[in-house]
Amino acid sequence: DGGITQSPKYLFRKEGQNVTLSCEQNLNHDAMYWYRQDPGQGLRLIYYSQIVNDFQKGDIAEGYSVSREKKESFPLTVTSAQKNPTAFYLCASSGLESYGYTFGSGTRLTVV
Amino acid sequence: GNSVTQMEGPVTLSEEAFLTINCTYTATGYPSLFWYVQYPGEGLQLLLKATKADDKGSNKGFEATYRKETTSFHLEKGSVQVSDSAVYFCALANYGQNFVFGPGTRLSVLP
Repeated sequence: DGGITQSPKYLFRKEGQNVTLSCEQNLNHDAMYWYRQDPGQGLRLIYYSQIVNDFQKGDIAEGYSVSREKKESFPLTVTSAQKNPTAFYLCASSGLESYGYTFGSGTRLTVV
Repeated sequence: GNSVTQMEGPVTLSEEAFLTINCTYTATGYPSLFWYVQYPGEGLQLLLKATKADDKGSNKGFEATYRKETTSFHLEKGSVQVSDSAVYFCALANYGQNFVFGPGTRLSVLP
């Protein structure tokens, strides 16, 4: 079955470390997205990519970086510059707008 | 610009009660409208969608009708179950633009 896979499900980071969250899709979708969700809050867009080798900043890109070297993959790196990285991170992909976004199951990142 | 407004939660209902979660939007052109559901600790799942005015989306007993005259897409269910407890997000998509999500409405259904 086609879908979008995020890994790991839980991730712990020490202060000052960079960590990378994985997002892979086999839906042949062109566009991919990263969102951050804080407890009891809505979704905030971090980065998005409409096509391979191109990506744009969303609303809260500071302290994050991404790459899009393959259509299937859109990894997110949470750098040490992100001062409050503890959150739930969601990856999504889309084809035609009318079909909606498909979301992964999320990665919960905790700073220890 | 585009925006989505949802009723504030949390919404607490008894099992078998009628559910309405209000959603209104502001957008140019003719957006598609969506409802997503998020169960605890999971990602968002598409619940239903409507792509043009007067369309009714439906799934798992939930319904929503795209009302262009009132710019609304209210979610309804006739008889909720404990398993419907989740966070519900209204969203819109306009051609060539990213999705816009509402803030989410938490629903708790008590047995």
